[in-house]
This record gives sequence, structure tokens and C-alpha cells, in this order.
Amino acid sequence: GENVEQHPSTLSVQEGDSAVIKCTYSDSASNYFPWYKQELGKRPQLIIDIRSNVGEKKDQRIAVTLNKTAKHFSLHITETQPEDSAVYFCAASLSGGGADGLTFGKGTHLIIQP
Amino acid sequence: KAGVTQTPRYLIKTRGQQVTLSCSPISGHRSVSWYQQTPGQGLQFLFEYFSETQRNKGNFPGRFSGRQFSNSRSEMNVSTLELGDSALYLCASSRGGEQYFGPGTRLTVT
Repeated sequence: GENVEQHPSTLSVQEGDSAVIKCTYSDSASNYFPWYKQELGKRPQLIIDIRSNVGEKKDQRIAVTLNKTAKHFSLHITETQPEDSAVYFCAASLSGGGADGLTFGKGTHLIIQP
Repeated sequence: KAGVTQTPRYLIKTRGQQVTLSCSPISGHRSVSWYQQTPGQGLQFLFEYFSETQRNKGNFPGRFSGRQFSNSRSEMNVSTLELGDSALYLCASSRGGEQYFGPGTRLTVT
């Protein structure tokens, strides 16, 4: 089955700096790659996603890039703010997140230092 | 539009008992997936239902089961509870691929 590796497990950045989280996946048939943000005691929230026919997607301060050949994708957060502090999960799916479920990475704890 | 809801939010059970958790998806969403979240294993896929049919299942023992009703509401059941079943159980609903999570049910097995 699919296996998703996520790095780093903890990332500390100064407020205003950029943060990058990287994930690799094993199944070349995976075609949907969402990112979730989970604050302490809350539900995972979908913040951005990308499909395999697209190389990059941006939404304000957040961007995701996908390299299908290398089977890796990354989350980029620019101009980080205190409210960006949370655990971020990447995931991969064969069927766009529906029938086959999502395979998640282990998460990255992002800490924004004031 | 109301989000995904789950009941109960917290549950304490004893080893050997069984438990049923409930999930109501976003209106119009027919796919419901269940996940187990633990500090050690992270988020793991349990199973997915669509139109009352289980379409896929993760790598969990047969003690974990589920069902979906005609109104898309879903339940999951865990029988013969073990200490290792203590976790946050999340359901997610989907219509076109993006999955939206409920707040979860925190199950503690003592």
C-alpha cells in the first residue's frame, strides 16, 4: 500500500520567515495530495490540496508544489504568523480522497517564534 | 452549511466492552470515512462508506466495523475493546474528493 514520509517532525521559525515541509510518497498511482492543519484539541482542517495534473498551487501565503517524477510534494508558508503554529499533515490518495482513503504522514509540529 | 458532527465527543469504556460512535456528514455528502488518530501511529484510515456500501477498508482487525444509513449518517463499532484502542476517532465526509473532518470522539479504554 501507499506510504507517506514527512519531514521534519518539528520546525521552529521566526515570525515573518518562511516554513517548508516536505513529503514523499511511494505509490506512483497516487493522484491527490491534501494538506491539513490541526491545532491542539481541534479537528484537522484542509488548507490546500493539489492533484497530479498540476505542478504548483498557491493560496495567499500558502503554496504546494508537486514533483511526480521524484514522488515528493512540499508545503510552503510565507510570512509566517503566530496563528500558523499547529501540526501540519500531508496525505496522499489514489482516488482523489474518496473511496481509497487518505494515507497520512506523521505530521510536522510548526512553532512560530515571536 | 453545518459541518461534520460526531457523537459522543468523549467516552470512557472498560476493556472487553464494545462501543458505537456516530457521524453525521455535511448535507449532500454521501461518502464518509473513518480514521483513528493516536500519538504513536498518527492518522490511520479505518474504512469508507458510500451509499450504504463499504468501498474500502484499512488494515485494522475485524473488531472494527461500520455501517452507513440511507441518510448518509454513519456509525462505527469496536467490539471487545483493548487498551490500545484508546484514540481520537475522526470521521470525514466528502462529495468530490476533499475530505472534511468532524471534531472527533475521544475514546479512553481503561
